[in-house]
Amino acid sequence: GAVVSQHPSRVICKSGTSVKIECRSLDFQATTMFWYRQFPKKSLMLMATSNEGSKATYEQGVEKDKFLINHASLTLSTLTVTSAHPEDSSFYICSARVGSFRGSPLHFGNGTRLTVT
Amino acid sequence: AQSVTQLGSHVSVSEGALVLLRCNYSSSVPPYLFWYVQYPNQGLQLLLKYTSAATLVKGINGFEAEFKKSETSFHLTKPSAHMSDAAEYFCAVSEGTGANSKLTFGKGITLSVRP
Repeated sequence: GAVVSQHPSRVICKSGTSVKIECRSLDFQATTMFWYRQFPKKSLMLMATSNEGSKATYEQGVEKDKFLINHASLTLSTLTVTSAHPEDSSFYICSARVGSFRGSPLHFGNGTRLTVT
Repeated sequence: AQSVTQLGSHVSVSEGALVLLRCNYSSSVPPYLFWYVQYPNQGLQLLLKYTSAATLVKGINGFEAEFKKSETSFHLTKPSAHMSDAAEYFCAVSEGTGANSKLTFGKGITLSVRP
């Protein structure tokens, strides 16, 4: 149980275009989802926390107008990278937990490798 | 704020040898701690978690970790390394309250296993 599905797994886009990444909780409802970004040889950086039916909470330094997050239902959150540039190339991973207990682990999707040319 | 520190970026062991990956935490409240493993181009998979029950926690794939409050540590061990254990390992601490509590990760350690 507790499966998080992320799509697409890889995407290549041209500079200036937008890319949407989907994150779905397949067998549980997730009122909260978390979007992380991972740089090569680096740890995971939390970008934002998305809450179903409300605005996402962005971490300091993350451009909310560039990284649009929508959490329209209890099983789907989307991250849209707008006007992508080569420096946005990275590995993006979403996650969610079952329930609201902070001791419950996050379950992660398989990530999306974004390459901007 | 809570944080975790993973000293060193790379550990190399021989197949069959003991694996020891270190993690120290800093927390102003009783921590919830986690170890995750990541294989290339994949998401993170939970190995084990500490949530204030037993201090010795057993996880998947033969891994275990011991919570030591006096040392503020949560080191990950496995008695005998297997080639398939080669991966990136992350220690994490839960920060915040309720559903919005987030995980803060260490920098990760790359484990290599020599034949």
